[in-house]
Amino acid sequence: NAGVTQTPKFQVLKTGQSMTLQCAQDMNHNSMYWYRQDPGMGLRLIYYSASEGTTDKGEVPNGYNVSRLNKREFSLRLESAAPSQTSVYFCASSEAAIGGAEQYFGPGTRLTVT
Amino acid sequence: DAKTTQPPSMDCAEGRAANLPCNHSTISGNEYVYWYRQIHSQGPQYIIHGLKNNETNEMASLIITEDRKSSTLILPHATLRDTAVYYCIVRGYETGANNLFFGTGTRLTVIP
Repeated sequence: NAGVTQTPKFQVLKTGQSMTLQCAQDMNHNSMYWYRQDPGMGLRLIYYSASEGTTDKGEVPNGYNVSRLNKREFSLRLESAAPSQTSVYFCASSEAAIGGAEQYFGPGTRLTVT
Repeated sequence: DAKTTQPPSMDCAEGRAANLPCNHSTISGNEYVYWYRQIHSQGPQYIIHGLKNNETNEMASLIITEDRKSSTLILPHATLRDTAVYYCIVRGYETGANNLFFGTGTRLTVIP
């Protein structure tokens, strides 16, 4: 049981390049989330998927797109990377997107945009 | 969701209890109090949550005041591995997550 896995662990992009961050969970959870964490800051929600087939914007969605590929997988795409998107990205999952449901986090992807 | 206020940093001697406070004076009746922690550069780790009653699990205890406007996370016997940033989060029961707010947390340093 691996929990939440993320790939890649590290990535360096040039401004304007695109990439997709992958996330998978093996806990049969319905809800999945993408966060970003900038140095010295708390986590900010980018997008979430309450259930398979649905996605919704979080606090900071601009510049990102997401795809809930199936119940296990939730990807985050940067279409045209900008230096302001340099951050650590965390994926998380929970049984449901409601209060009372704890979230389990992946190890993170460290992205640098030059 | 109600916002929370936490002290930016705290120290605790190894083996002693660590008591981390959180103020959530605008909490409403259906909002839970969650605690997570983040050990350097790792993904956040769930610790405990509660609605009204005090809660205890293998990691910690959560004490919520009767008026629910504040809470305290207690690590009964802190170890060096408990050094981390601790986040107090208040979240409603309704479906949706676009107002989940982690804040900047309390940096707990356990001292040998």
